[in-house]
Amino acid sequence: DVKVTQSSRYLVKRTGEKVFLECVQDMDHENMFWYRQDPGLGLRLIYFSYDVKMKEKGDIPEGYSVSREKKERFSLILESASTNQTSMYLCASHEAGPGVSNTEAFFGQGTRLTVV
Amino acid sequence: AQSVTQLGSHVSVSEGALVLLRCNYSSSVPPYLFWYVQYPNQGLQLLLKYTSAATLVKGINGFEAEFKKSETSFHLTKPSAHMSDAAEYFCAVSQKTSYDKVIFGPGTSLSVIP
Repeated sequence: DVKVTQSSRYLVKRTGEKVFLECVQDMDHENMFWYRQDPGLGLRLIYFSYDVKMKEKGDIPEGYSVSREKKERFSLILESASTNQTSMYLCASHEAGPGVSNTEAFFGQGTRLTVV
Repeated sequence: AQSVTQLGSHVSVSEGALVLLRCNYSSSVPPYLFWYVQYPNQGLQLLLKYTSAATLVKGINGFEAEFKKSETSFHLTKPSAHMSDAAEYFCAVSQKTSYDKVIFGPGTSLSVIP
């Protein structure tokens, strides 16, 4: 019963390429998130979205953008990939709305991106 | 601002021994607290969560955690480690705000020695 699906498990891209990471959730959640995970740093929030066409910067948005045209889909875009963006990228969705924070986040399997 | 610290980036225990993973948080208001587990090459899944109903929270796979407000802690324990418990564990905190961001700790990698 897959709930959050990331389009790729592994990706290898060249420096300067535009990269799209896709995430789809089937739980009708309002909130969706993109994190990157690096050893020793845990999960760092890149961007999140609390509604269609709405987005907010997280802690490390530089070099990234996002798109949410439909409720179920949240895309992360690397405008010009660089080697320091080599990382594991995790998408998550969350049922909560404003003022409600006690529900769990559901994560995709992750995309391991290597930029060469 | 909220933050989460996890003491020990790597913990090793023998199979059958007690597992104790430490988590401390800082928050100006009562938080919601979570423990997530990540098995190799997978995403995160929820182990348990504290939402102010009971200070001792039981989760999946025999794990439990106790919320101690005076110590701002939410340590994760399991009485007897199993080989299948080897994974990365993340403590996380969220609270009621305009948008529900979840802040994760840096993670603790648990190894179980046969």
